[in-house]
Amino acid sequence: NAGVTQTPKFRILKIGQSMTLQCTQDMNHNYMYWYRQDPGMGLKLIYYSVGAGITDKGEVPNGYNVSRSTTEDFPLRLELAAPSQTSVYFCASSYAGEYGYTFGSGTRLTVV
Amino acid sequence: QKEVEQNSGPLSVPEGAIASLNCTYSDRVSQSFFWYRQYSGKSPELIMSIYSNGDKEDGRFTAQLNKASQYVSLLIRDSQPSDSATYLCAVNSNQAGTALIFGKGTTLSVSS
Repeated sequence: NAGVTQTPKFRILKIGQSMTLQCTQDMNHNYMYWYRQDPGMGLKLIYYSVGAGITDKGEVPNGYNVSRSTTEDFPLRLELAAPSQTSVYFCASSYAGEYGYTFGSGTRLTVV
Repeated sequence: QKEVEQNSGPLSVPEGAIASLNCTYSDRVSQSFFWYRQYSGKSPELIMSIYSNGDKEDGRFTAQLNKASQYVSLLIRDSQPSDSATYLCAVNSNQAGTALIFGKGTTLSVSS
């Protein structure tokens, strides 16, 4: 049982490049989330999904896009990377909104 | 703006002592409350959840909730050096389509 799997673990992007952060869960959870974590700033919600085909913006969605075509996958797309997007990105899933999350191991992204 | 506040610390306690971590939240309709532990460079790990007023104990950990005061706390008894980490408080209103709001975390250091 792998839980929540994120790839890649590390990535360096140049300003203006694009990339997709992958997230897959094998727990049949309906709810999935993307957070970013900056030093001393806690976790900020980027996007979330309550089921396949349904996504919604969180607190800091600008510069990002998501899709949810299957229950298992919830990729996060960065378009035109900017230095402000340098952060650690965590994907998480839960059985329902009132339950705790299972987090992936994170992706450390640097934009130079 | 819904907020979750934590003292950033660091909170330093000697080995064997009780560590007390506190959290306040702004949204009165919040229904689900969680404590996560995050080691440096790792992803958050769920250690406690609490949904009703009072205390909930799990091993050396006790979560306390007071909805009237909008206050959640985590007590760690017999603190060990391995408890040294950042502890994140998270709150959910349970309204449809909502996600956890995280505090910035309290860093705990347990000295041997």
